[in-house]
Amino acid sequence: EDQVTQSPEALRLQEGESSSLNCSYTVSGLRGLFWYRQDPGKGPEFLFTLYSAGEEKEKERLKATLTKKESFLHITAPKPEDSATYLCAVQARNFNKFYFGSGTKLNVKP
Amino acid sequence: KAGVTQTPRYLIKTRGQQVTLSCSPISGHRSVSWYQQTPGQGLQFLFEYFSETQRNKGNFPGRFSGRQFSNSRSEMNVSTLELGDSALYLCASSSNDGGGYTFGSGTRLTVV
Repeated sequence: EDQVTQSPEALRLQEGESSSLNCSYTVSGLRGLFWYRQDPGKGPEFLFTLYSAGEEKEKERLKATLTKKESFLHITAPKPEDSATYLCAVQARNFNKFYFGSGTKLNVKP
Repeated sequence: KAGVTQTPRYLIKTRGQQVTLSCSPISGHRSVSWYQQTPGQGLQFLFEYFSETQRNKGNFPGRFSGRQFSNSRSEMNVSTLELGDSALYLCASSSNDGGGYTFGSGTRLTVV
């Protein structure tokens, strides 16, 4: 069964304290893996797309990596404005279906 | 380029009423998907339309329906509203070339 699992559900960090969020997936034929950031009451905002194992993408303090079974979103020296829920999704080659994880709620304290 | 536009942003309806939500995708995107998001359930897939045809459907009752027009704009309709339908409804469009979704800001529906 195709599914996406994110961990941890919630993460509290001090400003400057680096950490990683995990997204593990099982899908029959990965077309792409996507990371989104969502602020309360708003739609998810696109961050990264990864297509193949070994691929990495970076944007400011965020870096996403992909293996055949999981993806990590590394946050280096986070700031309070990085506080949000981070969602992971995979798109299957079969019927173009998307599967979303339940998200990791990140709270960065000053 | 303009993003995904959802209207209205907020709605308050009474139980038993029906509601129609609208979504205008990014120009050139022919795939439009709808999601329901609640604090307890996360993002739940409702349906996807591609070139005016429903391509995928989630596990929601028949009270939830949608359609897509020739200009790719989409509407979703919920009939006989229940309190549990209160949620943020998100529309997302994609180009169908593996580039992922772009989401709208959502419509916050409150059923009283």
